[in-house]
Amino acid sequence: DAGVTQSPTHLIKTRGQQVTLRCSPKSGHDTVSWYQQALGQGPQFIFQYYEEEERQRGNFPDRFSGHQFPNYSSELNVNALLLGDSALYLCASSNRHSETQYFGPGTRLLVL
Amino acid sequence: RKEVEQDPGPFNVPEGATVAFNCTYSNSASQSFFWYRQDCRKEPKLLMSVYSSGNEDGRFTAQLNRASQYISLLIRDSKLSDSATYLCAVNKGGNTGKLIFGQGTTLQVKP
Repeated sequence: DAGVTQSPTHLIKTRGQQVTLRCSPKSGHDTVSWYQQALGQGPQFIFQYYEEEERQRGNFPDRFSGHQFPNYSSELNVNALLLGDSALYLCASSNRHSETQYFGPGTRLLVL
Repeated sequence: RKEVEQDPGPFNVPEGATVAFNCTYSNSASQSFFWYRQDCRKEPKLLMSVYSSGNEDGRFTAQLNRASQYISLLIRDSKLSDSATYLCAVNKGGNTGKLIFGQGTTLQVKP
């Protein structure tokens, strides 16, 4: 039973560029949430996707957008990257019947 | 005031010790509570959900105190492998989906 997978594992970008991160949820899960974790902090909720729609959004600017596909996988897009966007980006999956979320290994983004 | 607060530590304890962490939350409407463990440069892994009646899994015991709005995690007979950051997370429930995390508490178990 595959767990949550994310790609790529690491990414280096320069300011102003755009990035797309990918996530496949755990088998049997239909809901994907994205979090940003800065060094020394807890994960911060970006948004959640369910039935291919953004169900809830945290306090992040419109530069952060997402998408969910019919197979429940998801993408996180960040435009006009800032130095402060450097962080670990975590995807978590769950199913509609449970609030328990399971995390993928994350994508470590460095913006130079 | 942060919605979920934890003492960042670090807590330095000898092997075999019992250690307890607390986590306070500000929103009384919160319904679901979790403890996650995070190793350095890895993802958070679910340690346990926290129920009103409390729950235990081996050396780990979690408690919820709704009146005082905190959750706790007790680790008995600490092992070197318990060294990690422990994150508490709170969800308001009702399909809001959003987990609110504390900063995490770092535990170092020494030989």
